[in-house]
Amino acid sequence: SQQGEEDPQALSIQEGENATMNCSYKTSINNLQWYRQNSGRGLVHLILIRSNEREKHSGRLRVTLDTSKKSSSLLITASRAADTASYFCATGGGSQGNLIFGKGTKLSVKP
Amino acid sequence: EPEVTQTPSHQVTQMGQEVILRCVPISNHLYFYWYRQILGQKVEFLVSFYNNEISEKSEIFDDQFSVERPDGSNFTLKIRSTKLEDSAMYFCASYGAYSTNEKLFFGSGTQLSVL
Repeated sequence: SQQGEEDPQALSIQEGENATMNCSYKTSINNLQWYRQNSGRGLVHLILIRSNEREKHSGRLRVTLDTSKKSSSLLITASRAADTASYFCATGGGSQGNLIFGKGTKLSVKP
Repeated sequence: EPEVTQTPSHQVTQMGQEVILRCVPISNHLYFYWYRQILGQKVEFLVSFYNNEISEKSEIFDDQFSVERPDGSNFTLKIRSTKLEDSAMYFCASYGAYSTNEKLFFGSGTQLSVL
């Protein structure tokens, strides 16, 4: 089933700008995770937000979760060229079963 | 930080041949997974493995696929008779079950090309 669906599909910004990516999901969740994938590489876990949390920060990352709208957003502040990657939201995982990924947002940060 | 290791990084094979993709999960992890990503598409779940047996599998994971944990360290994915559509990046992941979150650790992937 299609669980996480990100938008936009692609985002191009200048270095220093903020980047916001959104994710919607369909079923109830215990948590939602964001992963990053550099081109041709593996997935790197960025941040997890639990269903009873509304906002979480980690460095330049800010994640929000609205369970009533079944949506989450990932904000990267003061973006850098090194942030260029694809970003995926995912639900489930661990002892809860498999992670279901969205299609991802391809972020391009131009120097 | 501990890492999941996958070998080989690239594998080229002829259609109909068998391939084995290898993974070394993080040593004290208990849950193991295979995912795949066809070029330009989303990451798709294949199978999860816990307590020496498959705990969950997707529709993609048909009879051509099998997984094994032959010893205490390796976790393998075998594709018995490869098809062109099996060409994808295959990711192994593991999870500790004792951690405070459900963070999965992913390997760097094996790029499988079926010709």
